Parts: sequence; C-alpha cells; structure tokens
Amino acid sequence: NAGVMQNPRHLVRRRGQEARLRCSPMKGHSHVYWYRQLPEEGLKFMVYLQKENIIDESGMPKERFSAEFPKEGPSILRIQQVVRGDSAAYFCASSPRTPSNTGELFFGEGSRLTVL
Amino acid sequence: DAKTTQPNSMESNEEEPVHLPCNHSTISGTDYIHWYRQLPSQGPEYVIHGLTSNVNNRMASLAIAEDRKSSTLILHRATLRDAAVYYCILRDVGTSGSRLTFGEGTQLTVNP
Repeated sequence: NAGVMQNPRHLVRRRGQEARLRCSPMKGHSHVYWYRQLPEEGLKFMVYLQKENIIDESGMPKERFSAEFPKEGPSILRIQQVVRGDSAAYFCASSPRTPSNTGELFFGEGSRLTVL
Repeated sequence: DAKTTQPNSMESNEEEPVHLPCNHSTISGTDYIHWYRQLPSQGPEYVIHGLTSNVNNRMASLAIAEDRKSSTLILHRATLRDAAVYYCILRDVGTSGSRLTFGEGTQLTVNP
C-alpha cells in the first residue's frame, strides 16, 4: 500500500509565478490536510479537505493560496504570485476517517518550494 | 489548544534508552496525548498516543503521569535512525477541530 505521495518533491519558482503542489492520499483515504514548515520553524496547519469539500481553512493565508480535493485525482495546493516568504516545505497528510482524538495522520515526504 | 512544553534538545547514546519528557499542565480531561517524530528531510511520522494509561507499541512506550500533567516518550534502545524532532501534541477534536498543532518539539541526537 503506497504511502502519501507528493509531487513535485522540489519546485523552484521566480517571484510572481504560480506554484502547484499535488498530493495523492493513501489508498482508501478521503481526508487530506496541508501543513507548511518554514525554514527552521515548526509545522503549521493550513487546510483540511474531504473529497470536493473544504472543511477547515483557518490556517490558509487570506490571499494567493487555495486548495482543492476533487472527486477524481490528487489534492492540489495552489500558490499564486509567489513571494520569497512562500519558500518552505509543504506537507500533505491523509487519514481514512473523519478527525478523531485517536486517529493518526499519515504524512507525505513533502514538497520543497524555493522562490527566487 | 492546550499547550505542551518540551526541551529544545536532548542527546543519547546508541542502544541506550531515551526518555523524552513533555509537560502539559493545562491538559483537559478529553485531550489525548499524541507523539509524532520528524526525521531529517521527511514528513512527520506517528509514534504513539494515549489518554490515561501507559501505552506500548513496536516503536515506543508512553508513560502518562497520574495527574496527566506530564508524559514521557520512551525509546527503549535508541538507534541512529531515531535521531529526529519529537513532537508532543494534545488532541481534542471537539475543541480544536481537525488540526494537529505542532510545537517546537525536541531535537534528539543519537551518538554512535
């Protein structure tokens, strides 16, 4: 059973370009979370999605960032007009069921965005 | 979210036990204690969780104080592969929703 797959693993963009990060959850998982880790900092929650629905986007920056999890295909985290401060590792996690106090999240290896 | 406090860093020698402490004095009765770890250049990995009783699994043991204001993650025989940042997290979906809130964690160094 393949784990959470993220691609690209490394992405370089110039300021003003768009970045698209993809996440394929584990087989059978319909819940996806995105986290961001700035250099030398901890992981910060961004958004939680179920298939075709955004459930909790309280950690998403108000502008330029969006996320989707369509019925078919991977979840996409989209960053428009990237700035140097967006340089970070973006981690996706999945779970098979609705959030619970005992449930674990399965994380991918991350996508590392560098903005020049 | 209830807050946890962990030492910034700890060191251990290979094949020796490691006790990683976590203080959570404001823990509520419905908070579960979760531990994750993050190896270099990788995503976090679930380690263990518990509520009141001590827990064991193939990776580690979790010892929870009787008053639940602190807990200790125990690695019985550290290996070089255990070098990672260890995060102690309190989880109560009812109050904090879907998210896991990661703190700064403890950087564990394992010496050969």
